[in-house]
Amino acid sequence: DTGVSQDPRHKITKRGQNVTFRCDPISEHNRLYWYRQTLGQGPEFLTYFQNEAQLEKSRLLSDRFSAERPKGSFSTLEIQRTEQGDSAMYLCASSKSPPREQYFGPGTRLTVL
Amino acid sequence: GIQVEQSPPDLILQEGANSTLRCNFSDSVNNLQWFHQNPWGQLINLFYIPSGTKQNGRLSATTVATERYSLLYISSSQTTDSGVYFCAVVLSNFGNEKLTFGTGTRLTIIP
Repeated sequence: DTGVSQDPRHKITKRGQNVTFRCDPISEHNRLYWYRQTLGQGPEFLTYFQNEAQLEKSRLLSDRFSAERPKGSFSTLEIQRTEQGDSAMYLCASSKSPPREQYFGPGTRLTVL
Repeated sequence: GIQVEQSPPDLILQEGANSTLRCNFSDSVNNLQWFHQNPWGQLINLFYIPSGTKQNGRLSATTVATERYSLLYISSSQTTDSGVYFCAVVLSNFGNEKLTFGTGTRLTIIP
């Protein structure tokens, strides 16, 4: 089994630009999650999908954030008009249903200048 | 929302020492996981342990769900055990799937 993969691993962008991240879950995992982690903190939940349906969104997910999982496989997370406060590690996880043990990818580290 | 607190926040040990990390949570949970975050940020699964006791090599974990705490034991510490340890829980609410992470314990093993 290959693990969860994320692309890119690092992204540096200027304030105001749009960025998109991709997550490929473990095959046969029907649930996919996005989390954000800032320096010195634990990861915080952003949103999750069961197959292609987005079932829960955190208040952290402002209007500038959008996530999709169009065919129930890979997912994308887009941030529009990036701000310096968006600088963080963006983590993706996947799980079967059941059991619900979540497995995390290596993350995408975003730096907004 | 649910509160997840970990102690101690920092722990510095000599190689070969044993340690116990604690995770307290404020509500009933369906899922509890322990992770080790390495220096590159990767979260490595250690245990999926909503209740009971599990062991994996030098590591073991115990969750007492009725008393709302979990313990992670590390024996014969090695320098590669250094990093941040997180526990994370899922509330016992129907349809709730998000992991809520604790505050973390930063473990430093000195050679």
